[in-house]
Amino acid sequence: DAGVIQSPRHEVTEMGQEVTLRCKPISGHDYLFWYRQTMMRGLELLIYFNNNVPIDDSGMPEDRFSAKMPNASFSTLKIQPSEPRDSAVYFCASSLSGGDYGYTFGSGTRLTVV
Amino acid sequence: SQKIEQNSEALNIQEGKTATLTCNYTNYSPAYLQWYRQDPGRGPVFLLLIRENEKEKRKERLKVTFDTTLKQSLFHITASQPADSATYLCALSNTNAGKSTFGDGTTLTVKP
Repeated sequence: DAGVIQSPRHEVTEMGQEVTLRCKPISGHDYLFWYRQTMMRGLELLIYFNNNVPIDDSGMPEDRFSAKMPNASFSTLKIQPSEPRDSAVYFCASSLSGGDYGYTFGSGTRLTVV
Repeated sequence: SQKIEQNSEALNIQEGKTATLTCNYTNYSPAYLQWYRQDPGRGPVFLLLIRENEKEKRKERLKVTFDTTLKQSLFHITASQPADSATYLCALSNTNAGKSTFGDGTTLTVKP
């Protein structure tokens, strides 16, 4: 397996624009997580899915953020409209229940909102 | 609220020595504790998972302990090498695959 695949790797956008981040989890994994990492706040959980169903979105900062998982092999995180304070590295991770293998993280998307 | 503290933001040691990193937590009774390694510009990489009923787990040069009374985990790297230089994160969860809360990490530098 190629691991968790995220795109794009880097995104620079202007304030007010819509941003869509994409993630392909490891095949067979039943959990998918979206995390955001900044120097100030570390790794923060935004939302996670189990079997494509959103379980906990309490970490989503505002209504400007939304996430979907239309099938087991794809998820998106959308920010609309984007603001400079959204600048961060966004990670997608997947895991398999019943196994002691932890999370497999993607390489992340570095988002810069100017 | 739940709080996770990892010892000092940075730890510098000499090659060959044992590095010991600490993860303390409050207001939480996790069933699982995980350790990850993160290199600059990359996502965290899973290293070890330990359950609340396990006192110690080893993997090659790595050893993790989990003391639920002290609410603390220690992460040891023996015979450290410059290649071990990275940021190490602990994460707590109530399931072995579900939601985890991460500490801020400790940056380890191993000098030759």
